[in-house]
Amino acid sequence: KQEVTQIPAALSVPEGENLVLNCSFTDSAIYNLQWFRQDPGKGLTSLLLIQSSQREQTSGRLNASLDKSSGRSTLYIAASQPGDSATYLCAVRWGGFKTIFGAGTRLFVKA
Amino acid sequence: EAQVTQNPRYLITVTGKKLTVTCSQNMNHEYMSWYRQDPGLGLRQIYYSMNVEVTDKGDVPEGYKVSRKEKRNFPLILESPSPNQTSLYFCASSRGGFTDTQYFGPGTRLTVL
Repeated sequence: KQEVTQIPAALSVPEGENLVLNCSFTDSAIYNLQWFRQDPGKGLTSLLLIQSSQREQTSGRLNASLDKSSGRSTLYIAASQPGDSATYLCAVRWGGFKTIFGAGTRLFVKA
Repeated sequence: EAQVTQNPRYLITVTGKKLTVTCSQNMNHEYMSWYRQDPGLGLRQIYYSMNVEVTDKGDVPEGYKVSRKEKRNFPLILESPSPNQTSLYFCASSRGGFTDTQYFGPGTRLTVL
């Protein structure tokens, strides 16, 4: 069965710290993996998408890596800011349009 | 502006009263999908559509119906809503291909009494 797990479930860090969020998945035959941000009571904002053939993607202070063979992706956030506080979701797409989300990591960055 | 719209945004209804949540996208996307989000369970895919008249079940399709008669619209139908369908619902669309970023609508908060 295809599953997606995110660790940790919650994280609290001081402003300025670099941090890593983890996403693991079963069944390495993925199509792509996408990281989202969700603010409380709001919709989802796409951060980065990594195709199955790629190893990493970068956007500003964010870097996402993908290791298909081990079934893992990490989202690296550099120099965290209070505005980064949100829930971060990892979504893995397999064949067709089947998509499974992880339960998310709730991040709190203290000023 | 490229966007996915959902209506209504908020809905309170009673058990058994049929309802439809509409979803529309203006990006000419091939793929559309419905998700529900529940505390502790995350987002779960209900149904998805790869093109007009082509739909398939996601992980939690029971109690829901969908149709895709036009490329831009993908309504979610609850024929006989029950309290366990109280949830936050999201519609999403994407272009297709390996770089197909999913774009999400703003969500519909449904309460079934």
